[in-house]
Amino acid sequence: DAKTTQPPSMDCAEGRAANLPCNHSTISGNEYVYWYRQIHSQGPQYIIHGLKNNETNEMASLIITEDRKSSTLILPHATLRDTAVYYCIVSTGTASKLTFGTGTRLQVTL
Amino acid sequence: DTGVSQDPRHKITKRGQNVTFRCDPISEHNRLYWYRQTLGQGPEFLTYFQNEAQLEKSRLLSDRFSAERPKGSFSTLEIQRTEQGDSAMYLCASSSFGAVGGELFFGEGSRLTVL
Repeated sequence: DAKTTQPPSMDCAEGRAANLPCNHSTISGNEYVYWYRQIHSQGPQYIIHGLKNNETNEMASLIITEDRKSSTLILPHATLRDTAVYYCIVSTGTASKLTFGTGTRLQVTL
Repeated sequence: DTGVSQDPRHKITKRGQNVTFRCDPISEHNRLYWYRQTLGQGPEFLTYFQNEAQLEKSRLLSDRFSAERPKGSFSTLEIQRTEQGDSAMYLCASSSFGAVGGELFFGEGSRLTVL
């Protein structure tokens, strides 16, 4: 699986959009970009994934650059409950496992 | 609740003792994964099963660790002769092989403290 690079931490004001970047310059053509988050003392939670096109669901939007070497997870209206560690993972989707890095710690403040 | 459940949620043991964790996956999921997570780090893959077959084991899984999934449903992870370095959160996840996206559904984890 390709390696990803994320900033270690970010802050966001409540109600504002949180934009979390991820670099995955060695991504292969058959690899998806996955985002998970982990709220303190809980197991990781799936957020969204995409291959080439931008994706949106009830939780977030995923913007993937045309060359697929980077992506951005957007939480459109961050709340205090979005405070968590966000993991960007690249995987074939049918792979045997996901390889987590250290993620981005997002702190949402009042 | 039909999510992944893990038991016990917390375990405190003395060095040298054996411990066993249980994971009940989402019922229709045929893949089951074990991860370990230490403070400040992301989850690290340990092993995974497809049905009852253990298909991959990480080098992190020393001889003191053994995982089983006897009937392709629940799984157990046993640690023998625990060491203080085994203190961590042990996470179980399940997924449905072949499903589009293949996302993993995680349990709340079992936290092990070895004194």
